[in-house]
Amino acid sequence: GQSLEQPSEVTAVEGAIVQINCTYQTSGFYGLSWYQQHDGGAPTFLSYNALDGLEETGRFSSFLSRSDSYGYLLLQELQMKDSASYFCAAPSGGSYIPTFGRGTSLIVHP
Amino acid sequence: NAGVTQTPKFQVLKTGQSMTLQCAQDMNHNSMYWYRQDPGMGLRLIYYSASEGTTDKGEVPNGYNVSRLNKREFSLRLESAAPSQTSVYFCASSSRSNTEAFFGQGTRLTVV
Repeated sequence: GQSLEQPSEVTAVEGAIVQINCTYQTSGFYGLSWYQQHDGGAPTFLSYNALDGLEETGRFSSFLSRSDSYGYLLLQELQMKDSASYFCAAPSGGSYIPTFGRGTSLIVHP
Repeated sequence: NAGVTQTPKFQVLKTGQSMTLQCAQDMNHNSMYWYRQDPGMGLRLIYYSASEGTTDKGEVPNGYNVSRLNKREFSLRLESAAPSQTSVYFCASSSRSNTEAFFGQGTRLTVV
């Protein structure tokens, strides 16, 4: 199975850069996904890293290092609307079932 | 394109009552899932269905049953609701590669 660890809360100011880390333990690893969830809403997909390195999508980037069992989500030019919970997730088992970390609550201050 | 549709959005049950949460997807996905979300616990898998006609237990299956009615629909049933089942329930689906899961809007269930 999979076990994913991420910080419970991160705070930052508007306009800043923030990094949310995720470490994983796995018995079979295919890649790392990131999801965003606003209060009262559903999780929505942000990115997926199958290979080592950085993937950039606008203000958001995601990084993976398989050798370190580690990844992170980087959010640049923070906006108030980025205040949300962020989950790392990894497919596990023969059916690639998404297993989620407990989530990081990002609070963006003016 | 509706994506994943869950009903109902809100429900209050009395202890011991039963109910079924409905989920349907229109993306022709093979895999469907039911998760529950509790504060500080992230998303925990209750049951999943890797393909039509198959279902398997996840991390927290006790007190629940599921039915994969066809490729589109995957329902979750609580036979005898307990206060510990007060939670937000999400249905999700994904293609076979499972790199991206699509979620319904959630069902907020309170058992009193």
